[in-house]
Amino acid sequence: SQTIHQWPATLVQPVGSPLSLECTVEGTSNPNLYWYRQAAGRGLQLLFYSVGIGQISSEVPQNLSASRPQDRQFILSSKKLLLSDSGFYLCAWRAGTASYEQYFGPGTRLTVT
Amino acid sequence: GENVEQHPSTLSVQEGDSAVIKCTYSDSASNYFPWYKQELGKRPQLIIDIRSNVGEKKDQRIAVTLNKTAKHFSLHITETQPEDSAVYFCAVPGGATNKLIFGTGTLLAVQP
Repeated sequence: SQTIHQWPATLVQPVGSPLSLECTVEGTSNPNLYWYRQAAGRGLQLLFYSVGIGQISSEVPQNLSASRPQDRQFILSSKKLLLSDSGFYLCAWRAGTASYEQYFGPGTRLTVT
Repeated sequence: GENVEQHPSTLSVQEGDSAVIKCTYSDSASNYFPWYKQELGKRPQLIIDIRSNVGEKKDQRIAVTLNKTAKHFSLHITETQPEDSAVYFCAVPGGATNKLIFGTGTLLAVQP
C-alpha cells in the first residue's frame, strides 16, 4: 500500500531564515505530487505541483520554491522566510494525471517568529 | 478555468440531525467529485467520491449526490454525531493535469 511522509511535523523558524520541508511517497511510481499551504482556519492553497522528476509548476508567485530530485521526493524551500509564510504545509499525491484520487500527507506546521 | 463554490461556510446542527453541504462547479466536462474531511490539526481525508456516470453514492451515514445538468453536487450526512464535527471540502479536477480545485470549506459543528 501507498504511504506518504512529511517532515518535520512542526517547525519554528525566525524571519529571514531558510526553509526546507520534505515529502516522500512509498509504494507507487511516478506519482503527481502537490504542495499546499493552509493558513489558520482557511482553505487549501495550492503552491506547486509536479508530474515528474524535475517538472515543477508554480501556482502562486512568492518567496517559496519546490524541487523534485527523485521520483517520490518533493521538497519545498525558501531562502528567507516571511511572517506570512506561517501555516500548515501539506504534501499530497495522486497515482498519475489519469487517476483522480488524491491523498494528503500528515503536514508540517510552520510558525515564523 | 474550473471554478468551485461551496456553501454554507459554517453549519451547526444538533446531534442526530442531518447536514447537507453543496458545491457548484463551472466546467460541464468535470467527471470526478470528491469530498474531504479535515479534523482540527489533521490532514484532509478523502471520505467519499463519485464519478459522473453515477447520480448517488452512499457509504453508511454519508452520501454524495450529483446533478450534472445543474452542475452541482452535495454531501449528505445523516444521524450526525459529535465526531462528524470538522471542516469539509469539495473538489473537482481542472486544468490540463486534472489537478483538484478545492472549495473554500464548510465548518460543520455537531452540538451534543
